[in-house]
Amino acid sequence: NAGVTQTPKFRILKIGQSMTLQCTQDMNHNYMYWYRQDPGMGLKLIYYSVGAGITDKGEVPNGYNVSRSTTEDFPLRLELAAPSQTSVYFCASSYSGGAGNTIYFGEGSWLTVV
Amino acid sequence: GESVGLHLPTLSVQEGDNSIINCAYSNSASDYFIWYKQESGKGPQFIIDIRSNMDKRQGQRVTVLLNKTVKHLSLQIAATQPGDSAVYFCAGNAGGTSYGKLTFGQGTILTVHP
Repeated sequence: NAGVTQTPKFRILKIGQSMTLQCTQDMNHNYMYWYRQDPGMGLKLIYYSVGAGITDKGEVPNGYNVSRSTTEDFPLRLELAAPSQTSVYFCASSYSGGAGNTIYFGEGSWLTVV
Repeated sequence: GESVGLHLPTLSVQEGDNSIINCAYSNSASDYFIWYKQESGKGPQFIIDIRSNMDKRQGQRVTVLLNKTVKHLSLQIAATQPGDSAVYFCAGNAGGTSYGKLTFGQGTILTVHP
């Protein structure tokens, strides 16, 4: 069972470049999330989706875009990369959003913007 | 707004000792809390959760205590093992129909010495 799979694992971007972090889950989960984790800090929610075709902003959405065309995939797009976006990015999913629904995380994508 | 934070950033224990990791939260509407374990280079792993209508929940070697009066929760690990060494995060939801959005604390680094 693959769970939540993120690619790439590591990436170095130059300031102003764009890229997409891919995320896919094979658990037929409705809810998907993107978090970022800065060094020594907890995770902060960037965007989330409660189902295909539905996305919404989290706590720190500026500089990012998402789409949810299928249940399985939830790519995160970085436009005009900035050094402040250097972070570790985690994709996650859960069956639903209510209390008791375990959120499963991917292994993370390490992004450095120089 | 909601914040979830930890009292101590690091905790060192001897193998076999019991560990207690503390967490404070500010949002009275939070009705669901989770403890995650994060090993170096990996995504957060679910340990145990608790709903706000409970004050204690036990798992295998772990116990979570919730004190809603003082907005505090703790994670107790019995007979701590070297494999328990990791960063531990508490996370809380925003209450109601928060679609699983979690606010994470900063994290506590647990080091277990053989």
